[in-house]
Amino acid sequence: GAGVSQSPSNKVTEKGKDVELRCDPISGHTALYWYRQSLGQGLEFLIYFQGNSAPDKSGLPSDRFSAERTGGSVSTLTIQRTQQEDSAVYLCASSTRLAGTDTQYFGPGTRLTVL
Amino acid sequence: QQQVKQSPQSLIVQKGGISIINCAYENTAFDYFPWYQQFPGKGPALLIAIRPDVSEKKEGRFTISFNKSAKQFSLHIMDSQPGDSATYFCAASMAGNQFYFGTGTSLTVIP
Repeated sequence: GAGVSQSPSNKVTEKGKDVELRCDPISGHTALYWYRQSLGQGLEFLIYFQGNSAPDKSGLPSDRFSAERTGGSVSTLTIQRTQQEDSAVYLCASSTRLAGTDTQYFGPGTRLTVL
Repeated sequence: QQQVKQSPQSLIVQKGGISIINCAYENTAFDYFPWYQQFPGKGPALLIAIRPDVSEKKEGRFTISFNKSAKQFSLHIMDSQPGDSATYFCAASMAGNQFYFGTGTSLTVIP
């Protein structure tokens, strides 16, 4: 079946512009995660959605970052007034969160470059 | 504060050798410890995972050793192959909520 997809695969923007990154999780997966991966760094947790519960936004680095998940499926990560330090690969993952199963399936990521 | 510390940052191993990557954590509430493999331009993919009620888990050439008292866990890749060359991340989570990742280990297996 289809895996997690993300779009665009690459995004180049100018400092100060807003960007939207999209994630299509695996059908039926109730949990969705956003991470940021900077060059040579590990994955930095940003936000987590689980079913209809309020999202865990504790990893968002500033109020310029926000995310939505519509209808329990597609998610959009929005970065307002982008800064050069926002340049990174943004990864989305989904999981079923069934009892005893915590496997996250990652998308290929969106590489964001802020000039 | 880094919740999960990973070492080494990079590793070079001869084909057929054993690759060993180590991770340490502080939070004793973590109950799930996965390892991910990432190839350039791809997202991470789950390789193997362990829960703290066992000390070792083996899947093919990949083994996780878990030391609960020391709060450490490691990945062993036996008979390392050039195709294993990738970046490996350890992680830890509580009840599958927030996942904390190590900073990654770049493995190069020399033919």
